[in-house]
Amino acid sequence: KAGVTQTPRYLIKTRGQQVTLSCSPISGHRSVSWYQQTPGQGLQFLFEYFSETQRNKGNFPGRFSGRQFSNSRSEMNVSTLELGDSALYLCASSLVPGRGGAEAQFFGPGTRLTVL
Amino acid sequence: DQQVKQNSPSLSVQEGRISILNCDYTNSMFDYFLWYKKYPAEGPTFLISISSIKDKNEDGRFTVFLNKSAKHLSLHIVPSQPGDSAVYFCAASVKGGSEKLVFGKGTKLTVNP
Repeated sequence: KAGVTQTPRYLIKTRGQQVTLSCSPISGHRSVSWYQQTPGQGLQFLFEYFSETQRNKGNFPGRFSGRQFSNSRSEMNVSTLELGDSALYLCASSLVPGRGGAEAQFFGPGTRLTVL
Repeated sequence: DQQVKQNSPSLSVQEGRISILNCDYTNSMFDYFLWYKKYPAEGPTFLISISSIKDKNEDGRFTVFLNKSAKHLSLHIVPSQPGDSAVYFCAASVKGGSEKLVFGKGTKLTVNP
């Protein structure tokens, strides 16, 4: 079974631009979560989607948004990029949320975003 | 406010010895704790977890201990192998069923041959 895939793997943008990252969950997984990893803050939760609905959102500004499609694929968008948005963006999928078995989250390799 | 803290950014041990990675948390609502391992250029991989109703969980060379009164957990790797060299993240989740994980900043483990 193929793992979580994220595209693109690397991205370079300039301040003020916007970016869209894509995540394809493991086949059959319906829950997708996004995390941001930076050297200073570590891994921070962005948002969680299930059945095309955002179930949970982390403490990030409104410039960060996401959505989930009917096939469970998810995208996240960052508008008006800032230098501080440079990070590794990780997507994780699980069969369903809220099962208590949080180890059921499988992570993709991430998208490395660099903002110049 | 960092709810999950890994105070040691790095740890170096000799092959065959025990590796002990520590994690402290502040939120008493956390009821499930996990350890993830991360290699460069890869996403985190689940290693082992423990529910707050237990104080120990073992899986092969990996054992996690939970001390609820001290809000402290630790991961023991015995014996340590060079392939264990990676960044280890402690994570916690809150009651209520959300898949949201709160991560520590990680500890880089180096196992020397």
